[in-house]
Amino acid sequence: AQSVTQPDIHITVSEGASLELRCNYSYGATPYLFWYVQSPGQGLQLLLKYFSGDTLVQGIKGFEAEFKRSQSSFNLRKPSVHWSDAAEYFCAVGAREYGNKLVFGAGTILRVKS
Amino acid sequence: DVKVTQSSRYLVKRTGEKVFLECVQDMDHENMFWYRQDPGLGLRLIYFSYDVKMKEKGDIPEGYSVSREKKERFSLILESASTNQTSMYLCASMGTSGTSGSYEQYFGPGTRLTVT
Repeated sequence: AQSVTQPDIHITVSEGASLELRCNYSYGATPYLFWYVQSPGQGLQLLLKYFSGDTLVQGIKGFEAEFKRSQSSFNLRKPSVHWSDAAEYFCAVGAREYGNKLVFGAGTILRVKS
Repeated sequence: DVKVTQSSRYLVKRTGEKVFLECVQDMDHENMFWYRQDPGLGLRLIYFSYDVKMKEKGDIPEGYSVSREKKERFSLILESASTNQTSMYLCASMGTSGTSGSYEQYFGPGTRLTVT
């Protein structure tokens, strides 16, 4: 069965420090990959997505992610975190073979300390 | 910009009540989804619809039903609410899959339902 793992439930970083959020997936098909962010009390907003081509993907708010097929990973990075980045982050995976559905990870809560 | 709206941000209902959660999208999307979100579990798919009057069960359909009479509107129904259905409910919509840039889901703000 398809699955998405975000190994870190909580991460705390200092403002200005770099950030990496991990995402691993198990899929029997070529995946489409997404990172979403959810601020408190809000819905999910798409940060970036990967369908094909360049494995380093740029997103909004200065985020980027790299697809590594050999490691089945799609880690999210940001070189310098701002206090406003504090939120919950979700990795999601889909595939043409599995129709219209996405499978989401459990989420990583990011705390930013000043 | 795609806009997905949900009828209520917060809802408190009693055990046994019938509950309707409404979702409307304004982008003429074929696909619509209902998820529930619980801490540590991420988003779990309850039902989805790929066309008017069409629906498919997701991963956790028990205790829920859905209705899609118009393309822009997708309703989630709790036939007899129970305390274990206290959760955040998120609606999403998505355009036609199979083309570049598809599979991106757009989310509403969520409805936090409490069943007492």
